[in-house]
Amino acid sequence: SQKIEQNSEALNIQEGKTATLTCNYTNYSPAYLQWYRQDPGRGPVFLLLIRENEKEKRKERLKVTFDTTLKQSLFHITASQPADSATYLCALPGALSGGSYIPTFGRGTSLIVHP
Amino acid sequence: DSGVTQTPKHLITATGQRVTLRCSPRSGDLSVYWYQQSLDQGLQFLIQYYNGEERAKGNILERFSAQQFPDLHSELNLSSLELGDSALYFCASSSQPGTVGEQYFGPGTRLTVT
Repeated sequence: SQKIEQNSEALNIQEGKTATLTCNYTNYSPAYLQWYRQDPGRGPVFLLLIRENEKEKRKERLKVTFDTTLKQSLFHITASQPADSATYLCALPGALSGGSYIPTFGRGTSLIVHP
Repeated sequence: DSGVTQTPKHLITATGQRVTLRCSPRSGDLSVYWYQQSLDQGLQFLIQYYNGEERAKGNILERFSAQQFPDLHSELNLSSLELGDSALYFCASSSQPGTVGEQYFGPGTRLTVT
């Protein structure tokens, strides 16, 4: 069955360091992958989308890589700040339904940046 | 602020009851998505509407139904509520008929079934 795995353990890092979060998937061949940020009790906020023909994508301090051979995406935040503390979700197009792919989210990884 | 509004913010009701959650998408967005998020299940897709028509369906229970109205707002109806239905319910919108591209999520409705 299709599965998206993100590290369930929180990632604790010091301010200024680079945070790296992992999203692994099995039994998918996604044409793209998305990353969202979610703060407690709030709705997810879209960060980046990377397509299967793109190896890397950047936006300000964020960088995403997509390795379709390894079936893995890495999400990096450089020069991390306490304000980056949140849960980060990856999302893939899952099964096809009614002409659309079902958005399928990982459980997310909590990032805690210490001052 | 994503531009997506959801009402009510909180809802407390008893088992067996029926509730209606409301969502207004961002101006100009034709797609509306509904999600359920609980601690043990993560963010689960329920259903998508595009310009009034049902588009994609996830593992939505038969006790749940939704619709999108001509003014593009959407309602999610939950009936015969059970304790396990307690969760955060999010609505999201996008300009795309499919699911490529970013979705803008609302603030959510927290449903507590007692």
